[in-house]
Amino acid sequence: DAKTTQPPSMDCAEGRAANLPCNHSTISGNEYVYWYRQIHSQGPQYIIHGLKNNETNEMASLIITEDRKSSTLILPHATLRDTAVYYCIVRVAANFGNEKLTFGTGTRLTIIP
Amino acid sequence: GAGVSQSPRYKVAKRGQDVALRCDPISGHVSLFWYQQALGQGPEFLTYFQNEAQLDKSGLPSDRFFAERPEGSVSTLKIQRTQQEDSAVYLCASSPNLAGGNSYEQYFGPGTRLTVT
Repeated sequence: DAKTTQPPSMDCAEGRAANLPCNHSTISGNEYVYWYRQIHSQGPQYIIHGLKNNETNEMASLIITEDRKSSTLILPHATLRDTAVYYCIVRVAANFGNEKLTFGTGTRLTIIP
Repeated sequence: GAGVSQSPRYKVAKRGQDVALRCDPISGHVSLFWYQQALGQGPEFLTYFQNEAQLDKSGLPSDRFFAERPEGSVSTLKIQRTQQEDSAVYLCASSPNLAGGNSYEQYFGPGTRLTVT
């Protein structure tokens, strides 16, 4: 799986948009970009994933550059409950649910009241 | 609905003791994963089951680590002769198999925090 690079920490004011970057310059054509987050003392939680098109769901938006070498996770209106470690993961699509996740150290996002 | 549950949530073991950690996946989920998370680090893969078959155990750090899922539902991770370096949070995740799909999220439990003294 491709290696990802994320800033170790970021702050964001409550109510503002949080933009979390991820570099994955060695991504292959059949690899997806996944985002998970881990709130303190909980297991990781899936947020969103994408291949090359921008994606949006009820939690966040994912913007992938045209060359697919980087992406940005956007939390449109950050709340205190969004304080967590955010992991960007690149992996081959799992056709049978058998693909392990390779986590890095992630970005620790702190939402400031 | 019910998510992935793990027990115990906390376990303190003396060095050399054996421990058993339990994972109850989401009902009907075929895939089950175990991860180990050291303090300040991201989770690291240990082993994977598809139903009762252990298809990948490449992440198990030593032969003191053993996992099973005999009936394809509940799984147990056993660590024999625990060492201090085994202190970590052990996470279990399950995932459905959806025919025709090509991306799957994993649903994680809250983890078991193991402290070896």
